[in-house]
Amino acid sequence: AQRVTQPEKLLSVFKGAPVELKCNYSYSGSPELFWYVQYSRQRLQLLLRHISRESIKGFTADLNKGETSFHLKKPFAQEEDSAMYYCALAGGYNKLIFGAGTRLAVHP
Amino acid sequence: EPEVTQTPSHQVTQMGQEVILRCVPISNHLYFYWYRQILGQKVEFLVSFYNNEISEKSEIFDDQFSVERPDGSNFTLKIRSTKLEDSAMYFCASRPGQGGQETQYFGPGTRLLVL
Repeated sequence: AQRVTQPEKLLSVFKGAPVELKCNYSYSGSPELFWYVQYSRQRLQLLLRHISRESIKGFTADLNKGETSFHLKKPFAQEEDSAMYYCALAGGYNKLIFGAGTRLAVHP
Repeated sequence: EPEVTQTPSHQVTQMGQEVILRCVPISNHLYFYWYRQILGQKVEFLVSFYNNEISEKSEIFDDQFSVERPDGSNFTLKIRSTKLEDSAMYFCASRPGQGGQETQYFGPGTRLLVL
């Protein structure tokens, strides 16, 4: 079965603290994974995709096929990082299978 | 930068009524999608559309749902006879269709409330 699990509904940290948003997936083929972000009152927008291996806004994510994980990390959180973060897996016809999302709250 | 647009932003309807949600995908995109998110739940895939036909649909997308691309720009989702449980945020998305791991671009959503 194709599934994405984000175990934390809420992650609350102070500004400057490291952040790790967890994502695990279940997929029989070669996975294509994404992180989408939704800031307050805005649309879902792509943050990262694993194939590009780039860092956006200081966030990185590494695909670990052994652990079937694609955790999102940032060494020093900023208040403007507060948002909903969704991990997603591309299934057939590139439909996206989303996790439940993690709300990141960064406090001053 | 081009964006996916959706109208209306909010819609309130009575149970049993038909609703049409409208989307304008990014102009040179070839693949179109509808997703929905019931309050407090995850974003769920409904249907994908390519070359004027449905390429995949989920279990949620039953006979009450239909999609159409009536002209070169609009992509619509119709719910024939709405139920209370259809209340959700509905997102349209599109992607270029050039192959590979492509980004899907999402619209701002339509919040549907069925009373």
